[in-house]
Amino acid sequence: EADIYQTPRYLVIGTGKKITLECSQTMGHDKMYWYQQDPGMELHLIHYSYGVNSTEKGDLSSESTVSRIRTEHFPLTLESARPSHTSQYLCASSSISGRHNEQFFGPGTRLTVL
Amino acid sequence: QKEVEQDPGPLSVPEGAIVSLNCTYSNSAFQYFMWYRQYSRKGPELLMYTYSSGNKEDGRFTAQVDKSSKYISLFIRDSQPSDSATYLCAPSGAGSYQLTFGKGTKLSVIP
Repeated sequence: EADIYQTPRYLVIGTGKKITLECSQTMGHDKMYWYQQDPGMELHLIHYSYGVNSTEKGDLSSESTVSRIRTEHFPLTLESARPSHTSQYLCASSSISGRHNEQFFGPGTRLTVL
Repeated sequence: QKEVEQDPGPLSVPEGAIVSLNCTYSNSAFQYFMWYRQYSRKGPELLMYTYSSGNKEDGRFTAQVDKSSKYISLFIRDSQPSDSATYLCAPSGAGSYQLTFGKGTKLSVIP
């Protein structure tokens, strides 16, 4: 079944740790996205990729980095986690042929940095 | 002014009520107007979308766009407890691969 997966679903970690949030999709989509969502706030785009070896920063400045070595995989890394990074991180993907850019979302990773 | 404004609610209605959810936007370049539904602790899922102005109906849901007033609406008829979720409007420009999300309106349908 075609889907988009995120691991871990929940992560509680101490300040200064390096973390990687995983995102994989089995739909063969070219475009992938990372959003940050705080309670009661908009989804903010922090990174996107239009294909392998293509990554761009989104509208919201983020200290995280991403890579796109394989079409299906789009991990997000924080080199040194801080309490200000506490948030929900959502990964999404879409097809380059979709006119209206329907984005399919994963279940999210809820990150808490102590 | 934010590109997309949406009242976050919360909105609480009795089962069977007609629900009206709304957004306003400022970017005239928006051509596609999407509504996403997000259940608690889940990722958003596309509910429906419309292109340009007009109405689109899908079962109990109707999406309406008025580009002249930059106003987007989602109507839910015969609301059910399973409709309890946060509804996010997300317009997009033609040829753009990016969506601009509203804050979302949290809806609770009480049995």
